[in-house]
Amino acid sequence: GENVEQHPSTLSVQEGDSAVIKCTYSDSASNYFPWYKQELGKGPQLIIDIRSNVGEKKDQRIAVTLNKTAKHFSLHITETQPEDSAVYFCAAIGSGAGSYQLTFGKGTKLSVIP
Amino acid sequence: DAGVTQSPTHLIKTRGQQVTLRCSPKSGHDTVSWYQQALGQGPQFIFQYYEEEERQRGNFPDRFSGHQYPNYSSELNVNALLLGDSALYLCASRRRGPNQPQHFGDGTRLSIL
Repeated sequence: GENVEQHPSTLSVQEGDSAVIKCTYSDSASNYFPWYKQELGKGPQLIIDIRSNVGEKKDQRIAVTLNKTAKHFSLHITETQPEDSAVYFCAAIGSGAGSYQLTFGKGTKLSVIP
Repeated sequence: DAGVTQSPTHLIKTRGQQVTLRCSPKSGHDTVSWYQQALGQGPQFIFQYYEEEERQRGNFPDRFSGHQYPNYSSELNVNALLLGDSALYLCASRRRGPNQPQHFGDGTRLSIL
């Protein structure tokens, strides 16, 4: 089955700086890659997603890039703010029999220091 | 527009007991998945329901079962609870079709004593 690895596990940045979180996946048939933000006591909130026919997608301060050849994708947050502090999860969903199942990374705890 | 709602928010049970967790999907969504999230880990897929049937299952024992009703709401049942079943149980809903975004509820925190 699919395996998703996520790095780093913790990340501290100064307010206003950029943050980058990287993930790799194992199943070359995977074709959908969402990112979730989880705040304490809450469920994961979808913040951006990318499909395999697209190399990059941007939504205001958040962008995601996908390299299908290398099987990795990254989340970029620019001009970080204290409210960006949370745990971020990458995930992948494959085709065929695994097409309904999200496989998650272990998460990155982002701390934005004011 | 209500998102995914789950009940109860917290639950305490003892080993060997049975529990039922409930989920109402986001408006317009007909497919529901359940995930287990242990502390400090990413969510793990349990199973998915649409058209009132279990369509796919992750690596969880038969003690975990579910149901989906005609209004698309869903239940997760866990029998013979073990200490290791203590976790946050998340429900996610989506529209049918490939690569549709999944939206999560805030989960039920289950503690086994």
